[in-house]
Amino acid sequence: QSVLTQPPSVSAAPGQKVTISCSGSTSNIGNNYVCWYQQLPGTAPKLLIYDNNKRPSGIPDRFSGSKSGTSATLGISGLQTGDEADYYCGTWDSSLNAGVFGGGTKLTVL
Amino acid sequence: VQLVQSGAEVKQPGESLKISCYGSGYSFTTYWIVWVRQMPGKGLEWMGIIYPGDSDSRYSPSFQGQVTFSADRSKSTAYLQWSSLKASDTAMYYCARLGVPGTIPTPAYYFYNMDVWGKGTTVTVSS
Repeated sequence: QSVLTQPPSVSAAPGQKVTISCSGSTSNIGNNYVCWYQQLPGTAPKLLIYDNNKRPSGIPDRFSGSKSGTSATLGISGLQTGDEADYYCGTWDSSLNAGVFGGGTKLTVL
Repeated sequence: VQLVQSGAEVKQPGESLKISCYGSGYSFTTYWIVWVRQMPGKGLEWMGIIYPGDSDSRYSPSFQGQVTFSADRSKSTAYLQWSSLKASDTAMYYCARLGVPGTIPTPAYYFYNMDVWGKGTTVTVSS
């Protein structure tokens, strides 16, 4: 059971927008920075969002991040078939004194 | 900027193992290296972090005492090792660079941004 809770799967049609939620507590999301990672099938994770809502260079603005209280959300607009992947949220947990990831969300672009 | 990890390993229970992560294209000693485990068909797990500059390390409680991090500054290489492997160590292991150079202001920054990842090393432990 992951410390951070994500929906196991989400789906949407090409061109549509989808959001992926990540729920935690005051010891993790509530007081620390949230990141989001994309893991395409058979590949290493890739940083999409850091510091709650910042995009590394090269990440298109179709990807967005937000945080409110003890929850965070990843938004992906203009969905493409190439966006089909597993998406993970993560942050520091001050009680565990360790980094923690959500269980991952599988995105299907129908 | 890249991290190159050592090749796949197949070991028997009880054997020792050391896998590597070579960094190039940046000042290796200035950026922390994170280790992440992904068991077959499962999610990501943060194992811990090491600063190659002085080998200062932090371990997740889940992995403390189970693995050891080390680094060789002269070779720009970080290592993850086991003294006695178990079948439950079967997994993909990734190293990643923490994109915050130098001194970490608060522990929250240990998970600020893993901006460069290796391709992973598959470890299979089976009798």
